[in-house]
Amino acid sequence: EAQVTQNPRYLITVTGKKLTVTCSQNMNHEYMSWYRQDPGLGLRQIYYSMNVEVTDKGDVPEGYKVSRKEKRNFPLILESPSPNQTSLYFCASSLSVSTDTQYFGPGTRLTVL
Amino acid sequence: GNSVTQMEGPVTLSEEAFLTINCTYTATGYPSLFWYVQYPGEGLQLLLKATKADDKGSNKGFEATYRKETTSFHLEKGSVQVSDSAVYFCALHRGGAGSYQLTFGKGTKLSVIP
Repeated sequence: EAQVTQNPRYLITVTGKKLTVTCSQNMNHEYMSWYRQDPGLGLRQIYYSMNVEVTDKGDVPEGYKVSRKEKRNFPLILESPSPNQTSLYFCASSLSVSTDTQYFGPGTRLTVL
Repeated sequence: GNSVTQMEGPVTLSEEAFLTINCTYTATGYPSLFWYVQYPGEGLQLLLKATKADDKGSNKGFEATYRKETTSFHLEKGSVQVSDSAVYFCALHRGGAGSYQLTFGKGTKLSVIP
């Protein structure tokens, strides 16, 4: 089954404790992206990747890092999480972002205390 | 820069009512336009899309027409069902060298009551 998986689905952590949210897709997609969803703000893009070793900033990249060492994986790294990073995070992938369907993961709800 | 504006929610309708969710955009050139739907507790799913002016996207009884002259992509459905209750997002992508960002509206929550 074609899918995007994220782990963990729920995470409660404390300020400053490094964490990684994993994202994996099994569709051989080149394009992957991370978004955060906040009430009243909709979805905002954090980082995206057009292929292995090619990443770029989205609209709200501050406080986040990503890597794309393999085509299927695109982890999101929070080196020193802060409470303003409490949010719902979605990973997405597509063959090509311009006209093809973006497939979204189920979401990771992160709470930073 | 690119932007998408959708009507504020929440929207509450009775079953079988007509639905319109307005979406307008700002972008240079010829963006592709999308409607995504998010059911409770789930990720987003593509509902429909249009890639050029006057294209009509349709799926599951929903329709939207890409109107370049009014920079709009309004979502419509003739008769909503309780199962259509969800959050709807309008989005655009404007391609080009080095440009692969997808811009979303803030979302419109739809509740359909029996």
